[in-house]
Amino acid sequence: DTGVSQDPRHKITKRGQNVTFRCDPISEHNRLYWYRQTLGQGPEFLTYFQNEAQLEKSRLLSDRFSAERPKGSFSTLEIQRTEQGDSAMYLCASSPRVGNTEAFFGQGTRLTVV
Amino acid sequence: AQTVTQSQPEMSVQEAETVTLSCTYDTSESDYYLFWYKQPPSRQMILVIRQEAYKQQNATENRFSVNFQKAAKSFSLKISDSQLGDAAMYFCAYRSASSGAQKLVFGQGTRLTINP
Repeated sequence: DTGVSQDPRHKITKRGQNVTFRCDPISEHNRLYWYRQTLGQGPEFLTYFQNEAQLEKSRLLSDRFSAERPKGSFSTLEIQRTEQGDSAMYLCASSPRVGNTEAFFGQGTRLTVV
Repeated sequence: AQTVTQSQPEMSVQEAETVTLSCTYDTSESDYYLFWYKQPPSRQMILVIRQEAYKQQNATENRFSVNFQKAAKSFSLKISDSQLGDAAMYFCAYRSASSGAQKLVFGQGTRLTINP
């Protein structure tokens, strides 16, 4: 296993279009997180899954955003009707169930809305 | 809500010298974890060092050490013998230790430049 994988690495879309990002966590990790990072800022928490259950959502996750983890493995983050303010790096991270261990991050998907 | 503040947007240090990055946080909880993450350009974020709040002893990982002052809510990172590969954005992060609370709260980051 090579770590957390995110696809695509870069996405340019026109305002109003829908986009979907994928995250494949480390295989034995049952916890999965999405964060958003804008230029020059630290990552901000969006949502968290334990297996397939979405246990926490940030108020940053407006109704245009939806995240799923249908089989408790990979996850998708969809943004509908994209706005220029959605331009950011979207980071995925995963961690094991047992113990309070570190979260391992993917390289992120950089979204540019034009 | 917990907050994390990094007051140094940018720092620079000569190669082989020592640099300290500052971090303060605000919380009403007594049990939590603090982290320093490193984000090199165009690469993923990796954990540098972790501190459990219930431990009085400061964490150390090779050239990286922290100064954890719980009462002052301060958590600084010291990098000794700086190397060119240390150049990156450094983020301080907080996580509650309460059951179910898994999200990280990050500071704004400090960009560290290493001068050869």
